[in-house]
Order: sequence, then C-alpha cells, then structure tokens
Amino acid sequence: GENVEQHPSTLSVQEGDSAVIKCTYSDSASNYFPWYKQELGKRPQLIIDIRSNVGEKKDQRIAVTLNKTAKHFSLHITETQPEDSAVYFCAVGYGNNRLAFGKGNQVVVIP
Amino acid sequence: GAVVSQHPSRVICKSGTSVKIECRSLDFQATTMFWYRQFPKQSLMLMATSNEGSKATYEQGVEKDKFLINHASLTLSTLTVTSAHPEDSSFYICSAPEGSTDTQYFGPGTRLTVL
Repeated sequence: GENVEQHPSTLSVQEGDSAVIKCTYSDSASNYFPWYKQELGKRPQLIIDIRSNVGEKKDQRIAVTLNKTAKHFSLHITETQPEDSAVYFCAVGYGNNRLAFGKGNQVVVIP
Repeated sequence: GAVVSQHPSRVICKSGTSVKIECRSLDFQATTMFWYRQFPKQSLMLMATSNEGSKATYEQGVEKDKFLINHASLTLSTLTVTSAHPEDSSFYICSAPEGSTDTQYFGPGTRLTVL
C-alpha cells in the first residue's frame, strides 16, 4: 500500500512567521494530495488539496507545492496566527478514492 | 463544502456489547463512504470502504466479522462494533467523497469507550 511520511512531527513558530510541513509518498501513480487540519477532539477539516496536473496551489495564507518527480508535497502557512495551532495531516489518494494519511504534524504558533 | 454527520458523538458501553455508529451525508449522495479509526495522538487508519448496494471492502488486518458495515442508502452507512472490548476504545470517523471527485469530507467522529 501507499507509504506516507510527514516531517517534522512537531513545529513551533512565532506568530507572524511562516510554517512549512513536508510530506513524502511512495506510489508514483498517486495523483491527489490533500491537507487536513484537525483540532483536538474534532473532525479533520480539508484546508487545501492539489492534483498532479499542477505544481502549486494557493488559497490566501495557505499554499501547497507538489514535486511529482521527487514524490513529495509541502504545506506552506504564511503569517501564522494562534488559531493555526493544530495537527496537520497530509494524505495521498490511491485506488478507489481511498486516502492514506501521514502521521501528522503538531504545529504550535507562539503568540 | 459538503456536510457529513455522525451519531452518536460519544458512547460508553460495557465489554461484550455491540455498538452501532451512523454516518450520514446531509446534502449529497454518497455511493461510497469510508470508516477510519484514530487512537489518541495518532493518525487516521482506514478500516474499510462502505459501498452502497454491495459488501464493504476491508483493509488488511481489519476483522470484518467484528466491524460490521452496512450501506443502507445513498446517504447512510453504519458501523457496528460487535462484542466490543476495551482495546476497541477509539475515535471512529467516517468520510464521504462528494460527487465524482475524490475530495473527502469527514464526519465529526464518535468517541467509543468500552469499559
């Protein structure tokens, strides 16, 4: 099956700085790459996704970049705010619309 | 985005009993839904794919006789944890893709505690 890895596991940033989380995957046939934000005890919320026909996608302070050759994609959060503190999961689409999730990154924004 | 609901939000049961969890797509139809399990501070692990009108597809290592899945209609899938034991205590979350895309929307989850 798909092997998905996220780095770093924990990331602390000063409010206003940028945060970058990287995700690597194993199956070169994968073509759908979403990022989810999960606050404690709540559902994962889709924050941005990208498909393999583009290299970058941006939505306000959130962006995702994809390098299919190297099989990695990254989440970029600019001008971080305390409400950005959460666990972020990358996922990779594979076979029959299934998603394989990474282990998650705990992002802490320090006011 | 699309809305997915789950019921109940939390349940506490005795060891050996069965628990049913419902997952509903509220404003769209879903021929496929997915069931995940999430242990504290861990990732989401896909358990099975629920298919409307046919049998569920289970991931490797997931016991189909223990986790019964029924996709009764285009808006409802149920997961029944049979003969629950304390090690089944977890956060169970469903998701559904909207339309023909693979964009998935998650339910709010069900916290199961087995005493």
